[in-house]
Amino acid sequence: DQQVKQNSPSLSVQEGRISILNCDYTNSMFDYFLWYKKYPAEGPTFLISISSIKDKNEDGRFTVFLNKSAKHLSLHIVPSQPGDSAVYFCAASAVGNQFYFGTGTSLTVIP
Amino acid sequence: NAGVMQNPRHLVRRRGQEARLRCSPVKGHSHVYWYRQLPEEGLKFMVYLQKENIIDESGMPKERFSAEFPKEGPSILRIQQVVRGDSAAYFCASKPGTPSSGNTIYFGEGSWLTVV
Repeated sequence: DQQVKQNSPSLSVQEGRISILNCDYTNSMFDYFLWYKKYPAEGPTFLISISSIKDKNEDGRFTVFLNKSAKHLSLHIVPSQPGDSAVYFCAASAVGNQFYFGTGTSLTVIP
Repeated sequence: NAGVMQNPRHLVRRRGQEARLRCSPVKGHSHVYWYRQLPEEGLKFMVYLQKENIIDESGMPKERFSAEFPKEGPSILRIQQVVRGDSAAYFCASKPGTPSSGNTIYFGEGSWLTVV
């Protein structure tokens, strides 16, 4: 049962434009959400997180939006850079429990 | 990756052999997670451990797989009698034990197991 879903396997964006990566979840008990970036042959690197008490969190070029009623979160990267090309995973957890990951979205930023 | 150390990075085993993957968490972290990534797939949860305690092993295959996180030393993921389907990247992640320290898990670089 896939509790966290990333329905877009891939996304291509021009350099300088906005990248929007989407994630949906099914478990209303989730209260903490994270985004990770992963390059081939490396481990996932933490990018940004958001608690369920917020609807937006921003860190530099990265902003995460959370819509609890829709059980949806998104990661906005602006402006997109070629170095942002990687696989992005969203994850969700409830206190004291495991972290559930989506299947990832491969982002390609075209110079 | 915030200091989570995994070794070996690459491991080749013949079918039927044992594989042992080690994970040293970030210093001071007392919680460890193991995830597996099969080719062309996402990260699948395997097990969640605290020192000397298994919190959640719902993602572990029922046979051949075991994990521990002793009071001293690294966490070990052990796969006995490996089969070709065990070929995957195995990632370890850790987080602090105290809620006030945040709920973010930090990953190691991974161990790539190839079964021939």
